Parts: sequence; C-alpha cells; structure tokens
Amino acid sequence: AQTVTQSQPEMSVQEAETVTLSCTYDTSESNYYLFWYKQPPSRQMILVIRQEAYKQQNATENRFSVNFQKAAKSFSLKISDSQLGDTAMYFCASQRNNDMRFGAGTRLTVKP
Amino acid sequence: GAGVSQSPRYKVTKRGQDVALRCDPISGHVSLYWYRQALGQGPEFLTYFNYEAQQDKSGLPNDRFSAERPEGSISTLTIQRTEQRDSAMYRCASSLSPGLAGARAKNIQYFGAGTRLSVL
Repeated sequence: AQTVTQSQPEMSVQEAETVTLSCTYDTSESNYYLFWYKQPPSRQMILVIRQEAYKQQNATENRFSVNFQKAAKSFSLKISDSQLGDTAMYFCASQRNNDMRFGAGTRLTVKP
Repeated sequence: GAGVSQSPRYKVTKRGQDVALRCDPISGHVSLYWYRQALGQGPEFLTYFNYEAQQDKSGLPNDRFSAERPEGSISTLTIQRTEQRDSAMYRCASSLSPGLAGARAKNIQYFGAGTRLSVL
C-alpha cells in the first residue's frame, strides 16, 4: 500500500520569498510517479509538477521545483518568488499504475 | 469537452435519499477515477475505470456506494440511502491512458470541479 505524509498543516511566506513544502511517501514499488497538486480557494485541483521515479533529475516548472530524494522517499516542493496567487492548499500524491494516493495537504498563505 | 465536467456542483439531500453524481471526462480519455474529499483532507480514492470496465473498487466505503461507466465515457457514482457521514466533496478525474507502462504524460489525472454533497 502507498502512504503519503505531509507534516506541515500550514505554512506562510512573504511575497517574493521562497518556501519549501515537505512530503514523504512510502511505496514498495520501483516504478511510480509523484505529483504536487494545488487547490486554490475555488477548490479546483490543478497539477503543479510531476516527477517520474526512475528519473534522477529533479523536475522544474517555472517557479516550482522539487527535491526528489528517492532513497529517503522524500519529495519536497520549492516555490520561488512566491506570489499572492500561490495561496492555496497543496497536496502531494504518489501514483502506482492507476492507484493515486494523496497526503493530507499543506495550507500555504502568501503574505503581501 | 475541454475539461472534466461534473454535475451537479452542489447537492443537498435528506438522509435516506439516493443520489447520483455525474462525471463527463475529457473526450478520448480512457481512464476515469472517483475520489472523495473531506474538508481539510486530501482526496481519497474510491474507484476507477478503464473504458467501461471497473478495475478497482476497493476504495468504496460500503455497498451503498456504486459506480458505472456503461459506454466508456460518462460515469455515474450512486450513493443509496445517504447518511450524514457521506457529506463531502466528490471528485472525478480522467487520464488519457491507464497504467504507467509507456505512459509518459498520458497518465496525468485531470480533475473536475467536484460535486459538494450535503446530507441533512
């Protein structure tokens, strides 16, 4: 079974600064995918970034990047130059085949 | 359609009534997933389909919950004899292809806006 743990229920950051959200996961599979989804107040689920477990290179998407530590089963999200629009719940997820499991989420508030 | 569409957006029902929640996936997407999300929690897997075949229903909480996708496109999640504990956001997602083998970006799940169910 897969489990995903997000140990930070809430975080805040000043606009334009950098923040890192933590995520650890547990899977016995060797081939899997990891995701960060953003859920703004509208409650949409928006894909932020995706990492393939067999790739060592950390994924990046503009201001968003990950620190993927496969041996430690850690998958943190770094948001650079934080913007007010980044305020949202952020969910980490692990996917094996069609089985996707989510963490409990981290509520991020970007302060002006 | 352009995205995953769910209806209704909000559903208020009385305890004991049956409800049917609809999901219209992105056109051409093979896989369709149902999740339940309690307030302040991450989505919890319920079930998923490849085409019209239900592949895994291990996440359905009990036999009051069922889902179907008879023509491999639109899916309906049905909750019979609703209880107050069923109140949650019900989310649907779809992906272009099933599984991971050769999937590349094809297994990315795109989510609908959800149906918020309130059982009084």
